[in-house]
Amino acid sequence: GAVVSQHPSWVICKSGTSVKIECRSLDFQATTMFWYRQFPKQSLMLMATSNEGSKATYEQGVEKDKFLINHASLTLSTLTVTSAHPEDSSFYICSARGQGVRTQYFGPGTRLTVL
Amino acid sequence: AQKITQTQPGMFVQEKEAVTLDCTYDTSDPSYGLFWYKQPSSGEMIFLIYQGSYDQQNATEGRYSLNFQKARKSANLVISASQLGDSAMYFCAMSGGTASKLTFGTGTRLQVTL
Repeated sequence: GAVVSQHPSWVICKSGTSVKIECRSLDFQATTMFWYRQFPKQSLMLMATSNEGSKATYEQGVEKDKFLINHASLTLSTLTVTSAHPEDSSFYICSARGQGVRTQYFGPGTRLTVL
Repeated sequence: AQKITQTQPGMFVQEKEAVTLDCTYDTSDPSYGLFWYKQPSSGEMIFLIYQGSYDQQNATEGRYSLNFQKARKSANLVISASQLGDSAMYFCAMSGGTASKLTFGTGTRLQVTL
């Protein structure tokens, strides 16, 4: 149980385009989903927390207009990187947590490369 | 504020031996949770084990056990009978109070050798 999928697993895009990443909880209802960013050989940096049906809460320093997060259902959250630039290239990983559960289960991650 | 410290950037262990990965934490919340995750080279974060701050017993999951010493604010991960597949990055993390978000340590890279 507690499987989280992420799609796509990797994406290459041109500078200035937008990219959408999907995160799905496959066998449980995720009341809260989280989006992280990870640079090579570094730890995970939380970007935002989203609760189903409400606006995401962004961490300090994360541009909400650039990283659009939608959590429209209990099994799906999306992260859209708008007008991507090379500095947005990174590994993006989502996690999901069920109601009353402390453990976050992670997706396999999405490697974004912006040319 | 919460803080997780992992002081070992890298560790080596021989196959079939046990290894301890260190983790210390700091928080003012009386209720918190401690987690260990494994991140192989593929990038996915695999949940290994959880310890609640009020749990009386140390958590165990198969070959993984968490040596929880509350007074010392440490939550070391013990892997018994190491296997080659255990080679990965290991992250200690905590959540606390009303915040559901995780604070991660910098990680320890474990290399299991023959």
